[in-house]
Amino acid sequence: SQQGEEDPQALSIQEGENATMNCSYKTSINNLQWYRQNSGRGLVHLILIRSNEREKHSGRLRVTLDTSKKSSSLLITASRAADTASYFCATARMDSNYQLIWGAGTKLIIKP
Amino acid sequence: DTGVSQNPRHKITKRGQNVTFRCDPISEHNRLYWYRQTLGQGPEFLTYFQNEAQLEKSRLLSDRFSAERPKGSFSTLEIQRTEQGDSAMYLCASSGSPGQSNQPQHFGDGTRLSIL
Repeated sequence: SQQGEEDPQALSIQEGENATMNCSYKTSINNLQWYRQNSGRGLVHLILIRSNEREKHSGRLRVTLDTSKKSSSLLITASRAADTASYFCATARMDSNYQLIWGAGTKLIIKP
Repeated sequence: DTGVSQNPRHKITKRGQNVTFRCDPISEHNRLYWYRQTLGQGPEFLTYFQNEAQLEKSRLLSDRFSAERPKGSFSTLEIQRTEQGDSAMYLCASSGSPGQSNQPQHFGDGTRLSIL
C-alpha cells in the first residue's frame, strides 16, 4: 500500500509562476525523497532530505520537512515548460531505509 | 556513469506466455530494486537485492514472479503464465556505493508490458 499522499493530484500553472506540491506520510522515516517522472520515462531523483533536516535547496527547488506533522512540500520557483512532469515523494522507513514507499504523485502542467 | 539500462523497452505478449526483463544497474552500485507502476500511480516495490542476495520480496510478488541477480551485476525479472493484470511498467533502480548511506535511487526508463 502507498504511504505517501501527494496533494494536489494535478496542478496547472502559467510559466514563470511558482508551483507547490505537498506530501504526507504515516510512519517514522529515515529520509524523504522527491522524484520527477516525464511521461513514459523512469524517475529522476531531485532532492533527498533527512529526518533531522527541515529545509533543503537545489537550484529552483526548495523542499521542507515537518516530521511532527509527517509532511513535506516541494516548491519549484519560476516554473518553465520543461518542468511539466509528474512529481512523486518517497519515504524511506526507519526500519528499512532501502525500501521506498511512494505516493501517487502530482501531475504538474506548465502552460507557456 | 552510463545510467541504469533496461531491456526491452516494450514487450507485447499473449496471456499465458512467459516474459523476462533485464536490468543493468550502474556498475558500482550494490543495491538493485524492481518496481511495478501502473498508469496514474506511484511505483510499487517488488523486490530488492544487495549484491547477489535477494533480501526482500513484496507480497505483491506472486509465485509467478521470480527475480535473479547472478554475480551481483545485472538482474532479470521473469513473469510466468502472464495475466491481464500484469500489464504495467516494470522499473529497475540501483543505489548504494559502498560506505555511503541515505542514497537516492537511480532509475532506468522501464519496460512496458502489455498483455493481449
